[in-house]
Amino acid sequence: DAKTTQPPSMDCAEGRAANLPCNHSTISGNEYVYWYRQIHSQGPQYIIHGLKNNETNEMASLIITEDRKSSTLILPHATLRDTAVYYCIVRDRGAGNNRKLIWGLGTSLAVNP
Amino acid sequence: DGGITQSPKYLFRKEGQNVTLSCEQNLNHDAMYWYRQDPGQGLRLIYYSQIVNDFQKGDIAEGYSVSREKKESFPLTVTSAQKNPTAFYLCATGHPWDTEAFFGQGTRLTVV
Repeated sequence: DAKTTQPPSMDCAEGRAANLPCNHSTISGNEYVYWYRQIHSQGPQYIIHGLKNNETNEMASLIITEDRKSSTLILPHATLRDTAVYYCIVRDRGAGNNRKLIWGLGTSLAVNP
Repeated sequence: DGGITQSPKYLFRKEGQNVTLSCEQNLNHDAMYWYRQDPGQGLRLIYYSQIVNDFQKGDIAEGYSVSREKKESFPLTVTSAQKNPTAFYLCATGHPWDTEAFFGQGTRLTVV
């Protein structure tokens, strides 16, 4: 079973920030939080990942709470092309692990004009 | 172009026939993965390989087989033993102990 919980769907106006929440209350100290997105009928695309510090790259920002039990992916200026299903995944980076990604149902984000 | 190539994008087969899905990568990644996705569902791991000539079953390996004779290639065979083969199949690559996974564009298999 997936170790994360996400709302099934969200809407966002074009040009506004999209804030996608994720709960991972059972996350362990060795697990990172990864975010991917999947545009309809395409392969998932990596967005960002983090352990406990906030992270930012050219696509998005990741805010992880101090207790690491939840996180928020922020798309600062959403465009119509950001319409996709967003998956939040926790993943162990320890050596010897098969590094499976356990996928939940994600959040379907609709960016509206 | 660097990346992962899955071919074909759409594939139709008759029930009872084996079919092989291709996955080729030129990213020099050691690990390769096969996932299956059903409508409205997340991805489920079929098989993965962390190094040439070695592979392991994932969560739903029954009815599937793979080979890893070359670093660049990880073909998936959907056998007639797979009871519900119609699905979207995704291949991914990565390094076993580091970084994220990179995905191909998928093959949509329809068995009629």
